[in-house]
Amino acid sequence: RKEVEQDPGPFNVPEGATVAFNCTYSNSASQSFFWYRQDCRKEPKLLMSVYSSGNEDGRFTAQLNRASQYISLLIRDSKLSDSATYLCVVQGSQAGTALIFGKGTTLSVSS
Amino acid sequence: DADVTQTPRNRITKTGKRIMLECSQTKGHDRMYWYRQDPGLGLRLIYYSFDVKDINKGEISDGYSVSRQAQAKFSLSLESAIPNQTALYFCATSETGLGTESSGANVLTFGAGSRLTVL
Repeated sequence: RKEVEQDPGPFNVPEGATVAFNCTYSNSASQSFFWYRQDCRKEPKLLMSVYSSGNEDGRFTAQLNRASQYISLLIRDSKLSDSATYLCVVQGSQAGTALIFGKGTTLSVSS
Repeated sequence: DADVTQTPRNRITKTGKRIMLECSQTKGHDRMYWYRQDPGLGLRLIYYSFDVKDINKGEISDGYSVSRQAQAKFSLSLESAIPNQTALYFCATSETGLGTESSGANVLTFGAGSRLTVL
């Protein structure tokens, strides 16, 4: 099992739609989880951290299920500007380690 | 000025040439990282450094070396570039901490990337 796996994309949705991405991870000891957003040919930028209790930031909701080792990102009322690649990021399996990125899921929102 | 600056932003070179990609940061972070990104493969970790005296290999360190010249500087070298090292390279930094949910220890700040083409 790969360390971090994401939904295959691309997701093509109309404006106003609700879309959900899932991500699974293999290291049950992981403590840190994030969603990053990457626009074409740009650097990844933090979208939101993912907490055990779940967290919401405007139209974005992130949830963590430790028992099943998956993370989700829900985007409500999609905007054209949400079109990007969304990267699931998890603390890796090595001690004191750096983060491991999923391959990303591409979202395209159309009018 | 950007918090994390990478130079050069673009470089085209030939097989066998030595290439250095440089990264400097004004975040005051102890931790620095080099990733490469290839289409369909996502970001993969090459090397990382948790302080000036600490260097660690990532998942794809073969063919690369790094130098942490100071807290603010972390350079990546390709001693003899080959075509399959053509990629987009990102430097990143993060704070030092416990890496728990409430800490910012694992939040990465990226540079704008260095696009390297090896012919």
